Amino acid sequence: DAGVTQSPTHLIKTRGQQVTLRCSPKSGHDTVSWYQQALGQGPQFIFQYYEEEERQRGNFPDRFSGHQFPNYSSELNVNALLLGDSALYLCASSPPGRWPETQYFGPGTRLLVL
Amino acid sequence: EDQVTQSPEALRLQEGESSSLNCSYTVSGLRGLFWYRQDPGKGPEFLFTLYSAGEEKEKERLKATLTKKESFLHITAPKPEDSATYLCAVGLTQGGSEKLVFGKGTKLTVNP
Repeated sequence: DAGVTQSPTHLIKTRGQQVTLRCSPKSGHDTVSWYQQALGQGPQFIFQYYEEEERQRGNFPDRFSGHQFPNYSSELNVNALLLGDSALYLCASSPPGRWPETQYFGPGTRLLVL
Repeated sequence: EDQVTQSPEALRLQEGESSSLNCSYTVSGLRGLFWYRQDPGKGPEFLFTLYSAGEEKEKERLKATLTKKESFLHITAPKPEDSATYLCAVGLTQGGSEKLVFGKGTKLTVNP
């Protein structure tokens, strides 16, 4: 059984550009959560999707948006990139009704904004 | 404001030298406290969930405990492979919505 997968692994963008990150959850998991982890910091909760809708959201601006597909995979979109958006973006999946007690993280996508 | 503070920021131990990591929190609506291990360049790996004061969980050389205001992760006779960043997170229920707040982590280095 494959774990949580994320693509791409690394990405370099310039200020003002837009980026899309992708996540495939573990088999049997219907909930996907996204986190931003700056260097030397703990992960910060961006938002969570299940049943193809955003259900919970952290303190992130509207430049951060997402989507969940019928197969439970998810995308994170960031518009108008800022230098401060450089971070490791983590996706985590959970079985139905088991967040936050049970979540499995992917390896992350490292985004560098120049 | 909900806060989760981990100390120390970094800890160096000799192999076999036991110690403890601390996670203190000032939150309302605690749903649970979670410990994760994160290796460089990887996502966090779940270790423990604690729900109520007095609860303890063990796994190999690690034991997690919880009081009303803090949690400890005790590491007994650590080995070099225990070197990692240990993250604490608090799950909250507030106003019908749920949040998960992480601390900054403690970077543990165990020297052979």
